[in-house]
Amino acid sequence: AQTVTQSQPEMSVQEAETVTLSCTYDTSESDYYLFWYKQPPSRQMILVIRQEAYKQQNATENRFSVNFQKAAKSFSLKISDSQLGDAAMYFCAYMRGAQKLVFGQGTRLTINP
Amino acid sequence: ETGVTQTPRHLVMGMTNKKSLKCEQHLGHNAMYWYKQSAKKPLELMFVYSLEERVENNSVPSRFSPECPNSSHLFLHLHTLQPEDSALYLCASSQDRQGWYEQYFGPGTRLTVT
Repeated sequence: AQTVTQSQPEMSVQEAETVTLSCTYDTSESDYYLFWYKQPPSRQMILVIRQEAYKQQNATENRFSVNFQKAAKSFSLKISDSQLGDAAMYFCAYMRGAQKLVFGQGTRLTINP
Repeated sequence: ETGVTQTPRHLVMGMTNKKSLKCEQHLGHNAMYWYKQSAKKPLELMFVYSLEERVENNSVPSRFSPECPNSSHLFLHLHTLQPEDSALYLCASSQDRQGWYEQYFGPGTRLTVT
């Protein structure tokens, strides 16, 4: 079964600095999708960024970018110019085709002003 | 209302009660999901409905009973729950079950079983 591991339960960063959240996954498939979801305190979970495994180019969304290393099965999220509104739980997730979305345990990100 | 809504936002129930959680999506999506989010555990998928048909049930105890009367509404009927069922229950929807489509989540129902 596919598993997703986020080895950093908590991270903190100074406002305006850059932080990288780690994610590794285990799969024997070659075609799949990877996601980072953000869950702010007492607010709805929203999609931050997604990556198709067949695409070598790393996805970017404004201040958010990923480092996708397919051979290493690694999918880290980089947040540049951190803002107070970035404080949240971040979940890495894996999905193949129409199968279920498998989430990691989450990383709680704190932004220090 | 926009997006995915869930009611109630908070629920406290005894182990012998019967209650229902409601989810409504206003996005015209074809797939809906129930997840359980417990402290210190990854989100666990409970049920998936696609075009009102249940397509996945991840070994969820029978004390949880889902219902999808139409593509916009999803219910989770609860009865004879256990204290370990206390958690945040999240509803989500997506245009299709295929992996590329983003899942939109509701705010969740915080359930406490006493």
